[in-house]
Amino acid sequence: GENVEQHPSTLSVQEGDSAVIKCTYSDSASNYFPWYKQELGKGPQLIIDIRSNVGEKKDQRIAVTLNKTAKHFSLHITETQPEDSAVYFCAALRGTDKLIFGTGTRLQVFP
Amino acid sequence: GAGVSQTPSNKVTEKGKYVELRCDPISGHTALYWYRQSLGQGPEFLIYFQGTGAADDSGLPNDRFFAVRPEGSVSTLKIQRTERGDSAVYLCASSTGVPGLYNEQFFGPGTRLTVL
Repeated sequence: GENVEQHPSTLSVQEGDSAVIKCTYSDSASNYFPWYKQELGKGPQLIIDIRSNVGEKKDQRIAVTLNKTAKHFSLHITETQPEDSAVYFCAALRGTDKLIFGTGTRLQVFP
Repeated sequence: GAGVSQTPSNKVTEKGKYVELRCDPISGHTALYWYRQSLGQGPEFLIYFQGTGAADDSGLPNDRFFAVRPEGSVSTLKIQRTERGDSAVYLCASSTGVPGLYNEQFFGPGTRLTVL
């Protein structure tokens, strides 16, 4: 079955710096890769996603890149702010409805 | 508008007891999902409903776990003979459920279950 690995498990950056989180997946049939942000006591919230026919997608300070050949995808956050502090999860879609999540990255942005 | 709601927000029970966790999806969403999130881990798929029927229950860990959605809206996750290893946050999500497409899943805040 699909397996998603995520690194690093924790990431600390200074406000204004960039943060990069990387994920790899095992199932070459996966074709949709969302990223979720989870704040304490809340459910995951979708922040950006990418489909397998696209190599990069940007939304303001957030971007995601996908390398289908290598089966890895990355989240890039630029100009980080303290409110970006949260746990971030990558996921890969198996079939049309089953999301397989990575183990999460705890991002801390220090003012 | 209202998002996905889950009740209770916290549930503490004793080993061997029966528990029910409730999920109210976004109005009009036909698809509903249950996930389990253990401490320090990502959500793990349990079961997916399309309308009233379970379209995929391959993630249920064993026959102590069961979920229903009798009217195609509210869903209840039922756990019999709870074990300490069942302690986790149980997340519910819903989506518009348009067939053949991936539909964004909107998550609720979860129910934190603690089995003593």
